[in-house]
Amino acid sequence: GAGVSQSPSNKVTEKGKDVELRCDPISGHTALYWYRQSLGQGLEFLIYFQGNSAPDKSGLPSDRFSAERTGGSVSTLTIQRTQQEDSAVYLCASRWAGTGGTDTQYFGPGTRLTVL
Amino acid sequence: LAKTTQPISMDSYEGQEVNITCSHNNIATNDYITWYQQFPSQGPRFIIQGYKTKVTNEVASLFIPADRKSSTLSLPRVSLSDTAVYYCLVGAGAAGNKLTFGGGTRVLVKP
Repeated sequence: GAGVSQSPSNKVTEKGKDVELRCDPISGHTALYWYRQSLGQGLEFLIYFQGNSAPDKSGLPSDRFSAERTGGSVSTLTIQRTQQEDSAVYLCASRWAGTGGTDTQYFGPGTRLTVL
Repeated sequence: LAKTTQPISMDSYEGQEVNITCSHNNIATNDYITWYQQFPSQGPRFIIQGYKTKVTNEVASLFIPADRKSSTLSLPRVSLSDTAVYYCLVGAGAAGNKLTFGGGTRVLVKP
């Protein structure tokens, strides 16, 4: 597609439920990132995928968070047993990571997660 | 990633030029400087990127002095729609880099 897409755009869930957030990166982009942004704050890195390499999970806040990327394209971020502090906008970004590639990441519109 | 420091907020008026300076004293030799723009309820949007001297595109200009310890984003003749948060980031061009966003600069353009 023309840009990074994410679904759903909004998700309201109850505390303790599991949620799945989806990201479709730009076609041909081999690098994919997940971030979250709390209200009025900057972005917090969560996880990074690059090709077939093991993902960089250093930003995941707890073991309730996990992500996978199937076929080097679509990615799903899963939050188990959601807590109210998980409420935030979850942003996905992709980047072309070929030789000589720079830092330019292209962001999706985000998924606004509200945990009641 | 090199830490960046930028003003928390700036006010301007339509038609004026807005200059936002970002400090990045410990920038590494292979780091690029990138600016993103974020509107409410949207993901950040790439504006401009540079390594040294001056870069200009249809949206903005980026001025980088010889020592590269700072950079200035220049938005010419802003309009109300330029009201947004602007983030300055530095990082290497190698694969595996993850962006670290600071608080950004909230620019408010007034009529």
